[in-house]
This record gives sequence, C-alpha cells and structure tokens, in this order.
Amino acid sequence: DTAVSQTPKYLVTQMGNDKSIKCEQNLGHDTMYWYKQDSKKFLKIMFSYNNKELIINETVPNRFSPKSPDKAHLNLHINSLELGDSAVYFCASSQDKGKTQYFGPGTRLLVL
Amino acid sequence: GENVEQHPSTLSVQEGDSAVIKCTYSDSASNYFPWYKQELGKGPQLIIDIRSNVGEKKDQRIAVTLNKTAKHFSLHITETQPEDSAVYFCAAYAGNMLTFGGGTRLMVKP
Repeated sequence: DTAVSQTPKYLVTQMGNDKSIKCEQNLGHDTMYWYKQDSKKFLKIMFSYNNKELIINETVPNRFSPKSPDKAHLNLHINSLELGDSAVYFCASSQDKGKTQYFGPGTRLLVL
Repeated sequence: GENVEQHPSTLSVQEGDSAVIKCTYSDSASNYFPWYKQELGKGPQLIIDIRSNVGEKKDQRIAVTLNKTAKHFSLHITETQPEDSAVYFCAAYAGNMLTFGGGTRLMVKP
C-alpha cells in the first residue's frame, strides 16, 4: 500500500548507457514531480506534470525525458548517461499544484 | 526565481534540549512553507507545514513560525529524542515550484 513507489531502488550502469526509472502513485493525485538530490543532499526540481501535462522543466539536459502515460505514473528516461548524473532521484506527487508533496523512497543512480 | 537559505547546516544537541532551524526566502509571492525530515536511505517526509495566512503552527513537539515581513520561517523541536536525528529541509512554494533549502543535519546525542 505504498503511496509513491519507484523502481529500481538502485541502479548501477556504465557511461553512455540509456536507463529508465519508473514512478507510480496510488494517491489519486493530479501532479507528479522528479527531483534530483546530489551528493551534498541538495534537492532540486527537474520536472513537474499536472494531469499528464508538463508544467515545469528546470534547465535539465535534453538527455532527460519524462513520460507520463497516465496521471498515476511519471517515468524518467535518461539517454547517454554521464558521470555527473550520479545522484538520488526522487519522484513525488501532490493533489494539485501548490499542495503538499509526498515523496517516494528514491532511486540511487551510480554511473561508472 | 525563489532562493531559500537554511541555517545551520549541522546542529548537534543533547537529548531533551530544543533545536531551532531557520530559513529565509527571497520571493514575496511564496505562500506555502513545508518542512521535511529525511532519514538515511529514505525519501523526505513532511513533518509540518504553514501557509502565508498563518504566523505559527504547532504539532506536539514540533512548531513552525513564519514572519512574512522579514521573509523568514523557523522550525522548533522541543524535548529532542535520538530518533529526531535526520536531515531537515525547509522549502518555499512560488510559481508552481517548491524550492528547498540546503538542509540541516540534526544530531541528537543520548
């Protein structure tokens, strides 16, 4: 009965590979987000979708492409992975824009 | 865009003492200020939040105060316990976006 779930929890891959991270929420929320947390614990918004429509895209390289097949899912695809992409990626959801955001457990990405 | 500064970056207190974490924000349009607790290996969890029409909010040992004029807000934890040890983040919401402070690592020594 996890509210916001992400898979995989850990992801270790080589530079240049393409990988995807999946996120699902069972809260019935309309808005979903992707955040990146770097090694210094700084949390920064990457993307936000509201009712499957992109509303925030914060200066993220084009190698990152979010996809929202329905309101309950927001997946993140990353092309041509670089060393600097190593971080923890968090998915979150909220009932609507400006409402409380609930975070998933995170996906720890390590690019070698 | 919004800029949120959080202090201190680390805080060590004795069990039973109080802990205070302070944040300032830059965008006067910000109207929602949540606080999150992040334990090791987990995602941030909301512990308390406050909206701009309220000056103070309390939930058991946790309280948050907001000064809109000065554009700062604070988290107060009383009677700290070892399980309060974690990283705490403040955040401010403006322009469809939540901007986080840099985090405070709180260590409660038994």
